[in-house]
Amino acid sequence: ETGVTQSPTHLIKTRGQQVTLRCSSQSGHNTVSWYQQALGQGPQFIFQYYREEENGRGNFPPRFSGLQFPNYSSELNVNALELDDSALYLCASSLARRYEQYFGPGTRLTVT
Amino acid sequence: GENVEQHPSTLSVQEGDSAVIKCTYSDSASNYFPWYKQELGKRPQLIIDIRSNVGEKKDQRIAVTLNKTAKHFSLHITETQPEDSAVYFCAAGGQGSARQLTFGSGTQLTVLP
Repeated sequence: ETGVTQSPTHLIKTRGQQVTLRCSSQSGHNTVSWYQQALGQGPQFIFQYYREEENGRGNFPPRFSGLQFPNYSSELNVNALELDDSALYLCASSLARRYEQYFGPGTRLTVT
Repeated sequence: GENVEQHPSTLSVQEGDSAVIKCTYSDSASNYFPWYKQELGKRPQLIIDIRSNVGEKKDQRIAVTLNKTAKHFSLHITETQPEDSAVYFCAAGGQGSARQLTFGSGTQLTVLP
């Protein structure tokens, strides 16, 4: 059984640019949630994907968008990057209708 | 929406002592309460969780208690070891189809040898 993986590990972008982060869910898990973790804080829910559709969204603007693919992997896209977008982006996979979420190692995004 | 408060923000204990971290939540519809351990530079790791129909759950040296009436839950670690040093996050959620989690702000636990 393989765990949740994310790529890239680190990324540096300039304000105004766009970024795509990737996540492969744990083997057998069909649901992916994305979280933003600012330094020294707990993860904050961005959105969840199930059956290739957004299945819930936190308090994030529309410039945060995502995709889920038939193999359950997922992408997080952020447009018009702002300095405050600098954070660790975590994805978590789970089985539909199960509560437990398992996190990947995260992508550290720095916006300069 | 849900709001989770976590205390204390830092906690130092001597090896072998017990550690207790407390969280309160605001949304009475929340029915799932996990605890995650995050070591420096690593992913949050699910260490124990509890559902709202259970008052207490234990797994070796760790236990979680839930008081639904007061809307608070706690993590108890007994016989602490240096490898228990990490940031611990509580979370509340489980409502709706997304069952999204709302996290507390974390507790930095340091176990002194």
